[in-house]
Amino acid sequence: GAVVSQHPSWVICKSGTSVKIECRSLDFQATTMFWYRQFPKQSLMLMATSNEGSKATYEQGVEKDKFLINHASLTLSTLTVTSAHPEDSSFYICSARYFGGSRGYTFGSGTRLTVV
Amino acid sequence: DAKTTQPPSMDCAEGRAANLPCNHSTISGNEYVYWYRQIHSQGPQYIIHGLKNNETNEMASLIITEDRKSSTLILPHATLRDTAVYYCIALLTGNQFYFGTGTSLTVIP
Repeated sequence: GAVVSQHPSWVICKSGTSVKIECRSLDFQATTMFWYRQFPKQSLMLMATSNEGSKATYEQGVEKDKFLINHASLTLSTLTVTSAHPEDSSFYICSARYFGGSRGYTFGSGTRLTVV
Repeated sequence: DAKTTQPPSMDCAEGRAANLPCNHSTISGNEYVYWYRQIHSQGPQYIIHGLKNNETNEMASLIITEDRKSSTLILPHATLRDTAVYYCIALLTGNQFYFGTGTSLTVIP
C-alpha cells in the first residue's frame, strides 16, 4: 500500500513551452502532497506543499507563477512548469503523507525534465 | 523541525553491517526520526522511523540513544544494492519533509 505514481518519468521539451507532471496516490487519499526538485549531485529541495482544494504553499524563492500546482482531487496533484528554460532542467519528485500505515511519507519515482 | 547532521560518505564491505550515524541534538520530544534512502535517479525510499524505542523491520534496525540526541541506522548485511544516499530526518509527523545532505553509502564487493 501507499503507492505514489508519478508521470511522466522523463520528458524533453523545447525552451518556452510548458510541461505538466502528474502525481497520483494509487491506493490512498492524499490531502497533502509535496513537490521537490533535485539538481545533479544535490539533495532534494522542497518547492511547495500542495493541499487538496486550496492553494499551494510555496517555499521561499520558488516562483509560484512559474511552477503551477493544482491539487483538485484527493488522489491527484499536478505540477506545471510554465515557459520552461534550460535552467529548469532537473529531477522533480512528488511525495504524499500516508496516514494509514507506518511509513508516514511516500515518494514518487521522479520525473527527469530536460529543457532544450 | 530539528536539524540533523550526517557524515557525507561511508564505505562498507559487502556482507558486513553498515552503521550510519545521525546527530539530532536539538530534537524535541514529539519529533520522530525518519530514515530514507535514494538510489541514483529514483525517488526516496522509506526505510524506518522511530520516536524513542529501537525499531527493527525487514530492511534495517534503528537505534536511538536514550537522550534521543543521536541515532544509528543499521543495515545488518549490506549488499551492492544498498549503495545509495541515506537521509536522516527529524520532524513532527505531518510537517514538511526537508532533506539534508545525507550520507552517501558505497558498498564495496
